[in-house]
Amino acid sequence: DTAVSQTPKYLVTQMGNDKSIKCEQNLGHDTMYWYKQDSKKFLKIMFSYNNKELIINETVPNRFSPKSPDKAHLNLHINSLELGDSAVYFCASSHPGGRNRMGADTQYFGPGTRLTVL
Amino acid sequence: LAKTTQPVSMDSYEGQEVNITCSHNNIATNDYITWYQQFPSQGPRFIIQGYKTKVTNEVASLFIPADRKSSTLSLPRVSLSDTAVYYCLVGGMNYGGSQGNLIFGKGTKLSVKP
Repeated sequence: DTAVSQTPKYLVTQMGNDKSIKCEQNLGHDTMYWYKQDSKKFLKIMFSYNNKELIINETVPNRFSPKSPDKAHLNLHINSLELGDSAVYFCASSHPGGRNRMGADTQYFGPGTRLTVL
Repeated sequence: LAKTTQPVSMDSYEGQEVNITCSHNNIATNDYITWYQQFPSQGPRFIIQGYKTKVTNEVASLFIPADRKSSTLSLPRVSLSDTAVYYCLVGGMNYGGSQGNLIFGKGTKLSVKP
């Protein structure tokens, strides 16, 4: 009954390869996100989808392409992997207004995918 | 976006109360204050959210003065398992709002010692 799940948990690959990370949430949330946490532990927003529509697309190389087949899934595909892509990638979801639909959004994060590019 | 400032790190001992203060001088009227906790190798976890005065839940308390330019997360009687990074975020609704709740700063690394 995991709320936000990601697969795989670990991903080791060679430079130049293409890889995907999958994310699923069973919370019924409308909005999903991808974050990147680098070696310095900075957690940075990459993308956000609301009801399958892309609403946030930060300055991320176009080698990164999110895909949302439905409201419960947001996958991240990365082409031509580079050494600098090595990081932990977190998926998250939220309802507008947080737990009680009042206040600000609160996000529920997945366990993360540690990507290592060799 | 309201910028937040927190101490980089704090040390404490088991059983003590820990207070982590966050400054957010340019908080907007519609902004809420949200705190997350992140353990090593895990995603951030929501702790508490508030708008003004005091909010308390089973995990922590959040104190917000009348001017709302700062907030203090209070963890009562910490244990070793409270060792984590704590993030303060300020914002409203992410979709159609200020999106400040998407901005995680450096956080405060709390180390609890026996």
